Amino acid sequence: QKEVEQNSGPLSVPEGAIASLNCTYSDRGSQSFFWYRQYSGKSPELIMFIYSNGDKEDGRFTAQLNKASQYVSLLIRDSQPSDSATYLCAVNVRSGGSNYKLTFGKGTLLTVNP
Amino acid sequence: GAGVSQSPSNKVTEKGKDVELRCDPISGHTALYWYRQSLGQGLEFLIYFQGNSAPDKSGLPSDRFSAERTGGSVSTLTIQRTQQEDSAVYLCASSLRAGGAADTQYFGPGTRLTVL
Repeated sequence: QKEVEQNSGPLSVPEGAIASLNCTYSDRGSQSFFWYRQYSGKSPELIMFIYSNGDKEDGRFTAQLNKASQYVSLLIRDSQPSDSATYLCAVNVRSGGSNYKLTFGKGTLLTVNP
Repeated sequence: GAGVSQSPSNKVTEKGKDVELRCDPISGHTALYWYRQSLGQGLEFLIYFQGNSAPDKSGLPSDRFSAERTGGSVSTLTIQRTQQEDSAVYLCASSLRAGGAADTQYFGPGTRLTVL
């Protein structure tokens, strides 16, 4: 099993709908979870992070974490065409000894149709 | 600096030549990461530094790749005897500290390497 897995998509939603992006991870010891957005030809940019089980809201974005199920998701409410991008899930996983390393999934391509 | 900077932004080289890519992290960030991203692909981890040490070099594709960091700041990624398959965007990121809650990584604009 890969350390961080995402559905590659593409995920297509109409403007104004809720987009739901999912990510699973394999290391039960992981404590920190991040969502990044990457526009085509650009570098990844941080959307939000979450450390505790439950929901965390920031504007139109909500991150959800379930450590028991090793599952983290990102909901985008009132999706806009400008949200069309690749969304990367990143998780801190063990990297030998007591070191942890942020590990990225391969990303889900989201398209929001006007 | 205000953000992570990388130079050059673009590099075109001939097969077999050596190249050096530079990354200047956000001031005060002790962790620095190098990634590679080929067209349409995900981020491929190469190496990370905590201070001047590299706890994990597992992502370096071959012994032609090396990286160093001095003074806990600037890092250089060197590719010797470049091959066409080395063509990609090389991204650098920095964070306050590797691992845990402080490992929010901020990315530079990348260096696009083209090997002819």
